[in-house]
Amino acid sequence: DIVMTQTPLSSPVTLGQSASISCRSSQSLVHSDGNTYLSWLQQRPGQPPRLLIYKISNRFSGVPDRFSGSGAGTDFTLKISRVEAEDVGVYYCMQATQFPYTFGQGTKLEIK
Amino acid sequence: QVQLQESGPGLVKPSQTLSLTCTVSGGSISSGYYYWSWIRQPAGKGLEWIGRVYTSGSTNYNPSLESRVTISVDTSKNQFSLKLTSVTAADTAVYYCARGYGDFDYWGQGTLVTVSS
Repeated sequence: DIVMTQTPLSSPVTLGQSASISCRSSQSLVHSDGNTYLSWLQQRPGQPPRLLIYKISNRFSGVPDRFSGSGAGTDFTLKISRVEAEDVGVYYCMQATQFPYTFGQGTKLEIK
Repeated sequence: QVQLQESGPGLVKPSQTLSLTCTVSGGSISSGYYYWSWIRQPAGKGLEWIGRVYTSGSTNYNPSLESRVTISVDTSKNQFSLKLTSVTAADTAVYYCARGYGDFDYWGQGTLVTVSS
C-alpha cells in the first residue's frame, strides 16, 4: 500500500495568517495515464469530508481561492491563505493512483 | 446537485453481516464515468477506503477487507450497497458512500454502525 504521511499533525494558526500542510507519499503518485491523483479533503467537526483540491492543484467547485495545492511526484503541499474561523477542522491528503486508495493521518487546523 | 444518502442498521451483532445502502439523487448513477465507493472512519480516527463499484458491476476492494466485502450496484433503484461479513468491534465506524474517479467529489453524510452484542 502507498503510505501517505502528513506534517504537521496539528497546526495552530492565527486568524488572517497562512497555514501550510505537507503530504509525502511512499511512492510516486504519477499514474500510467499521466495524471497524479492526489487530492485534499477538509473535514469540519461533525461533518463528512469535503473535496477541496484534486489532481494536485485543481480547486473543486465552490472552494475559495484561499486554498491552493502544489507539488509533484511524492511531495505535495496544501496552503491556506488568510485563515478564517470556518477553516477549522481536519485536513486529509488522499491518493487514488494505486489500489488501495489511501489517506494521510490528517492534520488538525486550530485557531490560536 | 448530486446527493448521496447512506441507510441501514446502526447496530450489528458480532459475527453477523453489516449491510448498508447508498441512495443517489440528483442524477443517474449510470451517467458519466463515475465509480461509487465506500469509506469508513472509526471514531476519532482517519479514513479507510473499503472499495468501489462501477455501474457495470465491476469492483475493486481494499485487500485488507476483500475477503469479507461485497459491493454491488442496482441501477434501477439508483443505489449501491455494501456487505461486510463476520464483523467485530473493530468494524465499528461511521460509514460513508462517495462518488468519484481519482478523487471523491460528493459524499454522503455518513452513518454510524456499532458492532456490539
